[in-house]
Amino acid sequence: DAGVTQSPTHLIKTRGQQVTLRCSPKSGHDTVSWYQQALGQGPQFIFQYYEEEERQRGNFPDRFSGHQFPNYSSELNVNALWLGDSALYLCASSSKTSGPSYNEQFFGPGTRLTVL
Amino acid sequence: AQSVTQPDIHITVSEGASLELRCNYSYGATPYLFWYVQSPGQGLQLLLKYFSGDTLVQGIKGFEAEFKRSQSSFNLRKPSVHWSDAAEYFCAVGGTGRRALTFGSGTRLQVQP
Repeated sequence: DAGVTQSPTHLIKTRGQQVTLRCSPKSGHDTVSWYQQALGQGPQFIFQYYEEEERQRGNFPDRFSGHQFPNYSSELNVNALWLGDSALYLCASSSKTSGPSYNEQFFGPGTRLTVL
Repeated sequence: AQSVTQPDIHITVSEGASLELRCNYSYGATPYLFWYVQSPGQGLQLLLKYFSGDTLVQGIKGFEAEFKRSQSSFNLRKPSVHWSDAAEYFCAVGGTGRRALTFGSGTRLQVQP
């Protein structure tokens, strides 16, 4: 059973560019959450998708957007990149069976984004 | 607003010694608590979780944690640390339904031979 997968593993961009990160949830999971982890910090919640819509959002600007596809996979898009967006971006998935009402989230290995 | 505090940024223990990592949380309803471990350059692996019931929960790799509602704490313990336990440890709190997790800033564990 494949866990949560993310692509690419690493990415280097320059300021002002746009980036798309991808996530495939664990088999049987229908909810995907995205987190940003800056160096030396804990992960911070960006947003969550299920039923192909954004359902919750953390304190992130509109430059951060996403999408969920019918197969439950998801994309995170970041526009107008700036140096502060450099971080590890983690995708997590969950389902009804992963704990009381979707509590337990399973994390992917992350995408390391560097903005120069 | 929910929050998690991990007071210890960095802890060093000798191999074979016992370990306790502290976690305090603030949450307005019944908390669901988690400990995750992260090795350098890796994602997060779940060590253990508390949803309800017995306040002492057992996890993988010999870790355990105790939920103390009166102290708003969920400390992680291990009786004998192995060199392979060196990593970053994160405590997180969530709620019912599809609630986002709120993480602490982490504790880096170093193990001395």
